[in-house]
Amino acid sequence: EDKVVQSPLSLVVHEGDTVTLNCSYEVTNFRSLLWYKQEKKAPTFLFMLTSSGIEKKSGRLSSILDKKELFSILNITATQTGDSAVYLCALYNNNDMRFGAGTRLTVKP
Amino acid sequence: DTGVSQDPRHKITKRGQNVTFRCDPISEHNRLYWYRQTLGQGPEFLTYFQNEAQLEKSRLLSDRFSAERPKGSFSTLEIQRTEQGDSAMYLCASSPHQGSYEQYFGPGTRLTVT
Repeated sequence: EDKVVQSPLSLVVHEGDTVTLNCSYEVTNFRSLLWYKQEKKAPTFLFMLTSSGIEKKSGRLSSILDKKELFSILNITATQTGDSAVYLCALYNNNDMRFGAGTRLTVKP
Repeated sequence: DTGVSQDPRHKITKRGQNVTFRCDPISEHNRLYWYRQTLGQGPEFLTYFQNEAQLEKSRLLSDRFSAERPKGSFSTLEIQRTEQGDSAMYLCASSPHQGSYEQYFGPGTRLTVT
């Protein structure tokens, strides 16, 4: 069965720290891997990755996909309290989107 | 507001009752998705529509769940004979066309079955 596994499940850091969130998967023939940020309500889109080895960046956030080793990472540098959220990884495969359980990040002042 | 909207935002119902939720996607978005999310888990895909056609429904949780998108615009998700295990957040998302994998989520409907 297809699996999307995120680690760690939760993480507590202090402002200014750098964090790396992991997403590993066992999914065949997926089209893209997406990262979402979920605060109190609906997930909001961060990145979409389709090609291996190409880093996507947006401000302090960056992400990369490794299709050979079947994982992706999401990096956040110089974390801020506003980065506190659940970060979700999802695999899009034709007709559905399969999410991991998420990593809950807490950034303390 | 041009985002995805869902109604109601909260629903409390007694076990055995039927409930219906509505989702209005972003205007002109062809694809519409329904998900269920329980505490501590990521969203779980239920079904999706391309315009008015329901292209995937095998992941609906049971035959008590059904969804429609009659005119290719808004969609409804119905749960018949609700059970306490149906308590969850029900999320709707839309995307502009088949080639776009980026989905925009609505605020969700939180269902509590007592």
